[in-house]
Amino acid sequence: NAGVTQTPKFQVLKTGQSMTLQCAQDMNHEYMSWYRQDPGMGLRLIHYSVGAGITDQGEVPNGYNVSRSTTEDFPLRLLSAAPSQTSVYFCASSYSAGGRGYEQFFGPGTRLTVL
Amino acid sequence: AQTVTQSQPEMSVQEAETVTLSCTYDTSESDYYLFWYKQPPSRQMILVIRQEAYKQQNATENRFSVNFQKAAKSFSLKISDSQLGDAAMYFCAYRLALGGLTFGKGTLLTVNP
Repeated sequence: NAGVTQTPKFQVLKTGQSMTLQCAQDMNHEYMSWYRQDPGMGLRLIHYSVGAGITDQGEVPNGYNVSRSTTEDFPLRLLSAAPSQTSVYFCASSYSAGGRGYEQFFGPGTRLTVL
Repeated sequence: AQTVTQSQPEMSVQEAETVTLSCTYDTSESDYYLFWYKQPPSRQMILVIRQEAYKQQNATENRFSVNFQKAAKSFSLKISDSQLGDAAMYFCAYRLALGGLTFGKGTLLTVNP
């Protein structure tokens, strides 16, 4: 299993540009989430999904869109990038069955810089 | 809304000694999950230990154990026989009802040889 994969690893955007951060998992997990990590802030939840076709907002959703058309993929779209969106982005997935229920498996992260 | 507080931005410990990282949380739920994650400089998030609130027994994973005080809403992590490889940022996290996590701001642990 590849686990949770994220692309790209690094990205530089100009203010106003749009882009999509890709996230995929091959563990058939129903739950997927996006977080951003800023210095001194820990990780904050952006959006999450409890299954294909179902998404909802987390703590800091403004400026981001998500969709989940398949169990495997959960892309995060930046509609019009702003310098305040400079951050490290993590995607994670989890499941609820068995003894290791609810453990979140994290991708390696994407470092995004908006100029 | 659930909140998680880590009151120690930085901690240090001597190699082979024991250190305890503090975490408190706020919730109105009675059944929930709590986690400690480790983030080394590689920035990969690594699960250290997990606690289910309905279980009275404190979780243990090798040199890592927790002191879970449900009434006090406290969830501290004890690292015994500290090793140089334990140096990292440690995050306490609360699992929200629909799958995401709420994190504390983290504690940076330094291990001195």
